Amino acid sequence: SQQGEEDPQALSIQEGENATMNCSYKTSINNLQWYRQNSGRGLVHLILIRSNEREKHSGRLRVTLDTSKKSSSLLITASRAADTASYFCATHGSGNTGKLIFGQGTTLQVKP
Amino acid sequence: DADVTQTPRNRITKTGKRIMLECSQTKGHDRMYWYRQDPGLGLRLIYYSFDVKDINKGEISDGYSVSRQAQAKFSLSLESAIPNQTALYFCATSDLRQTGELFFGEGSRLTVL
Repeated sequence: SQQGEEDPQALSIQEGENATMNCSYKTSINNLQWYRQNSGRGLVHLILIRSNEREKHSGRLRVTLDTSKKSSSLLITASRAADTASYFCATHGSGNTGKLIFGQGTTLQVKP
Repeated sequence: DADVTQTPRNRITKTGKRIMLECSQTKGHDRMYWYRQDPGLGLRLIYYSFDVKDINKGEISDGYSVSRQAQAKFSLSLESAIPNQTALYFCATSDLRQTGELFFGEGSRLTVL
């Protein structure tokens, strides 16, 4: 079964608004990663947060991690139409198994 | 040129046919993966390989086999394709020495009629 569950499954906002996507997972992790997928294309890595970190920023992206709740959130600020894509969280389990397990994804539509 | 190349990009086949999807990478990474993507189900891990002599089953390996012909090449085979194997298949790589970030190919869309 998949490690991550994402919420919401779909999100539609206007350009300029912020978009928040949430991810919950089940077991202990080494790190949690967020990926972006444009329609029908390969996934692209956005940001990684380690299990001992609580917040991380990269440009307009802000990721938080709460290991006590086994949850993470991805915030995209000042969204643009070009941010329209699917976003996936993925967890790298503790113990260096090397496997990355993906959530089901959130589809974001940013309307111009 | 792409760092992770998948061939074919699109394939339509019939039930019972043998299909091979190929993946090659120029990133020099040790680890390679095959994922399957279905609408609403995200990506599910089929097989992964940490080096040429190391092959591991993922979440959904039944009906699939793999071959790691070289560090740079990892192929996925469907010995006898069935319609519920219709999906988008992704190959990915990662570097053993880093944090597990994956680099994906552009995907192979397979339709089994």
